Amino acid sequence: RKEVEQDPGPFNVPEGATVAFNCTYSNSASQSFFWYRQDCRKEPKLLMSVYSSGNEDGRFTAQLNRASQYISLLIRDSKLSDSATYLCVVTVPESYKLIFGSGTRLLVRP
Amino acid sequence: EAGVVQSPRYKIIEKKQPVAFWCNPISGHNTLYWYLQNLGQGPELLIRYENEEAVDDSQLPKDRFSAERLKGVDSTLKIQPAELGDSAVYLCASSLDGEDTEAFFGQGTRLTVV
Repeated sequence: RKEVEQDPGPFNVPEGATVAFNCTYSNSASQSFFWYRQDCRKEPKLLMSVYSSGNEDGRFTAQLNRASQYISLLIRDSKLSDSATYLCVVTVPESYKLIFGSGTRLLVRP
Repeated sequence: EAGVVQSPRYKIIEKKQPVAFWCNPISGHNTLYWYLQNLGQGPELLIRYENEEAVDDSQLPKDRFSAERLKGVDSTLKIQPAELGDSAVYLCASSLDGEDTEAFFGQGTRLTVV
């Protein structure tokens, strides 16, 4: 079983749609959680951290469910510019090693 | 402020040849990572440095890969000899420290082994 698993997609949605991605992780002791965004042929960039209480940044909302060991990302009112691959990232306890999922690809169409 | 700088951006070599990648992290960042990313996959950690010390190199294929971070600043990653399966993007990242801080990535070096 992979340490971090994501649905690869692609999720193909119209502009204005709401879309949600989930990510599951295997290590129950994982401490920190992030969503990174990666555009085609570009480097990953931090989108947002995921806190236990959940957090929101504009149209983006991230949630953490420790009991079920998954995190989610919700994007409201999708824009064409949201088209990218979204990478789920989990840190390994005590080593702060970043473990990346394979990414979920999002395509927002006009 | 300059971000993480990597060079070269692209490299094409024949199999069995050596190759080296260079990374200059963001000034003041103590933690430096080298990741490998294959097409359609997420980055996979090769090695992580805290200052000049390699604290996690468990995923580095040590028979052909080596890395160094002399003086705890810039770093080089070397492959010798390269194999066809080494074709990938090699990403360098840095963070202020390893604990819950954002990792900033360089643009990567795209290696093609022919």
